[in-house]
Amino acid sequence: AQTVTQSQPEMSVQEAETVTLSCTYDTSENNYYLFWYKQPPSRQMILVIRQEAYKQQNATENRFSVNFQKAAKSFSLKISDSQLGDTAMYFCAFMKHRGGGSNYKLTFGKGTLLTVNP
Amino acid sequence: EAGVAQSPRYKIIEKRQSVAFWCNPISGHATLYWYQQILGQGPKLLIQFQNNGVVDDSQLPKDRFSAERLKGVDSTLKIQPAKLEDSAVYLCASSIRVNNSPLHFGNGTRLTVT
Repeated sequence: AQTVTQSQPEMSVQEAETVTLSCTYDTSENNYYLFWYKQPPSRQMILVIRQEAYKQQNATENRFSVNFQKAAKSFSLKISDSQLGDTAMYFCAFMKHRGGGSNYKLTFGKGTLLTVNP
Repeated sequence: EAGVAQSPRYKIIEKRQSVAFWCNPISGHATLYWYQQILGQGPKLLIQFQNNGVVDDSQLPKDRFSAERLKGVDSTLKIQPAKLEDSAVYLCASSIRVNNSPLHFGNGTRLTVT
């Protein structure tokens, strides 16, 4: 079974600074996808960024970027120029191709609570 | 584009009572998911539908949980009878198709079982 580990239960950062959230995963699959989701107090899970395992180039979305190390099974999220609105739970998630067909399953880590301080 | 709609937003029940949650996915999304998120943990998949058929319900406690997706659109998740450990946020999500399409989540229903 796939597992996703986020070793930092909580982190804090000053506004405008940069912070990196860690994520490691365990899989024997070669083709899969990795995601970072943000969950603010409203509880809605919002997709921040995604990475296809077959792509060597790290994904970037504005202030958000990832450091994807496939051999190390590591997928960290870097948030640059942190803003107060970035305060939320951040979940790393893994999606693999499942079985013989087109069925995919999303597995989440336990999350990291990020607080951006003014 | 309207998002994934869920109701109710909050629900408090006593143990052994029953409860039902409703989800309306984004129009045109074929795949629908129900996740359970216990406080301090990441969401766990309970059941996945493709149109009105079940793709995966391996982690659904079938002795007390049931779900249906009639006509491949709206879905309901029911718990009967509820236990204290069912206290959690129940998230519904949908995606256009069942492959690597991004999941769009609703705001969830927070269930408290006393």
